[in-house]
Order: sequence, then structure tokens, then C-alpha cells
Amino acid sequence: AQSVTQLGSHVSVSEGALVLLRCNYSSSVPPYLFWYVQYPNQGLQLLLKYTSAATLVKGINGFEAEFKKSETSFHLTKPSAHMSDAAEYFCAVSDDRRGYIPTFGRGTSLIVHP
Amino acid sequence: NAGVMQNPRHLVRRRGQEARLRCSPMKGHSHVYWYRQLPEEGLKFMVYLQKENIIDESGMPKERFSAEFPKEGPSILRIQQVVRGDSAAYFCASSLENTQYFGPGTRLTVL
Repeated sequence: AQSVTQLGSHVSVSEGALVLLRCNYSSSVPPYLFWYVQYPNQGLQLLLKYTSAATLVKGINGFEAEFKKSETSFHLTKPSAHMSDAAEYFCAVSDDRRGYIPTFGRGTSLIVHP
Repeated sequence: NAGVMQNPRHLVRRRGQEARLRCSPMKGHSHVYWYRQLPEEGLKFMVYLQKENIIDESGMPKERFSAEFPKEGPSILRIQQVVRGDSAAYFCASSLENTQYFGPGTRLTVL
């Protein structure tokens, strides 16, 4: 069975600081991995995805994530936080066994201080 | 190219009433998924449908909840005899192959 663990329900950074949101997954077959962002009272927006091509994936808004098979991790980073990055971030894993239905982590709330 | 559309965005029902939530997938997408999100929780999968077929309903409560995706028209998530515990945000996603795209959600409040 798939599972996703997002370490830290809240991450607080200063504007301009590095953003690091952690995600570890488990999957018995090669996974597809995703990061979504959710702003208040909105739906989930796809930030980036890994689907077995390059292990370093670049997404929108300056975010990127690196797939590390040996560590079963897919951490999300951004070099310099902006106030507009404050949101809820969800990591998700899927595979082709169940119609690509993703399993989501519980989410990490990113707080950006001025 | 319109994204996934959901309506209504907000729905208020009294206990015992029915709630109908609609989802129109992105153009060209034939797979629809419904999720429920409660405060401070992630998304919980409910059901996966293709046109006129329920593929996976392992996340659907056994009673009062049903879903359909007819040949024509939007997908419908129907909740009969709503209770306060049904209050949540309900999200629809559609996909082509391996990536899901989400709608803005319907926030259901049961009084």
C-alpha cells in the first residue's frame, strides 16, 4: 500500500529564506510523485510532478523537488520565500495499480514572516 | 481552456436534506475523482468514475452517499439525509493519464 508522510504540519520561514518542505513516501512499485499547493478557500493547484523522467523536477513559482529513491523522499524547495508562498502544501504518491489514484499527505502549512 | 468546474461553490443544507454537488471535468478528460477535506486534514479519496462507470468507490461511505458520471453532463456527488458530520469541502479532480487537476471545491455546511 502507498503512504505519504509530510514532516511538520507547520513550517515557518522569513521572507527571502530557503523553503524546505519534507515528504517521504512508501510504494512497492515505481511511484508517481506530486506536490500541490492550496491557498485559502481554493482548490489544489499542481506545483510539480515526478513521473520517472529527470529526478530533479522544476515546477511553477520557483519551486523544485528532487526524487531520491534511496531515501524514498521527494522534498520540496524554493531558494527564497515570498509572502505569496504562504499556503498549504500537499505531497501525493500514486502508481498505475489503482488508476493513478493518489494518496495524499496530511499537508504542511507554510508561514512566511516579513 | 477551462479548468475543472464545480458548483455550487458554497452549499448550506439543514439536517435531513439532500445535497447535490456537480463537477465538470477539463475538456478531454474522461476520469473524475471525488475527495473530501476536513479542517486540519488532508484529502480523503471517495470515488473514481469514468463515463457511465464507477471504477473505485472504496472511499465512499456505505450509506447516503452516491456518485455518477453520466454519458452527458457533469459528474454528480449526491448526499442524502445530510448530517452535521457531512460538513466539509468536497473537491473534484479530473485526469488524463497519470495527473489529476482539481476544481475549486464545494463547501458544504449542514445546519
